[in-house]
Amino acid sequence: GAVVSQHPSRVICKSGTSVKIECRSLDFQATTMFWYRQFPKQSLMLMATSNEGSKATYEQGVEKDKFLINHASLTLSTLTVTSAHPEDSSFYICSARGTGGGTYGYTFGSGTRLTVV
Amino acid sequence: QQQVKQSPQSLIVQKGGISIINCAYENTAFDYFPWYQQFPGKGPALLIAIRPDVSEKKEGRFTISFNKSAKQFSLHIMDSQPGDSATYFCAASIASSAQKLVFGQGTRLTINP
Repeated sequence: GAVVSQHPSRVICKSGTSVKIECRSLDFQATTMFWYRQFPKQSLMLMATSNEGSKATYEQGVEKDKFLINHASLTLSTLTVTSAHPEDSSFYICSARGTGGGTYGYTFGSGTRLTVV
Repeated sequence: QQQVKQSPQSLIVQKGGISIINCAYENTAFDYFPWYQQFPGKGPALLIAIRPDVSEKKEGRFTISFNKSAKQFSLHIMDSQPGDSATYFCAASIASSAQKLVFGQGTRLTINP
């Protein structure tokens, strides 16, 4: 089945630094990638949608200059949290949707726990 | 209109019992209704999904019931086991145009041994 690899699984960074999270589709071409943020005991909140080779579309209220998304290839998307602050601490999850076969599946990565100290 | 409303927020079921989680939606353009299971510290994993042209789909102990006219769908877990204890999310999307998933609020399911 479709597999999405997300790294790192956990990261601790100092306030003011930047952190990059990678999301790779291992066995399919991900034409669309979604980035979510999840606070404890809450649902997933979509941050942005990206299509390969295009600029990401951000949801209302999400700072595009703070959360940089790159989807340069059909197998890799990255989320960079710039100038991170403690309030950016959260669980970040990517999801990829591929081409072919009429599949409607959205495959999720295993998530990244970001802690900003 | 983009919302998916999920209930209950939490659910406790005895081992061997049936767990039932319900969702309701407004947007009639939705054409894909998945259920996800999430364990603490992990990403959501697809459990089962249904399209609006069928009223029920069963995979092992998991069944989705879909009522198009009522704009409701539900997850039934038969013979619930302690290993089923997790958070469950329903979702909906216009998948035919690769649009985003809209998630329900989640249900924290606990199966007592």
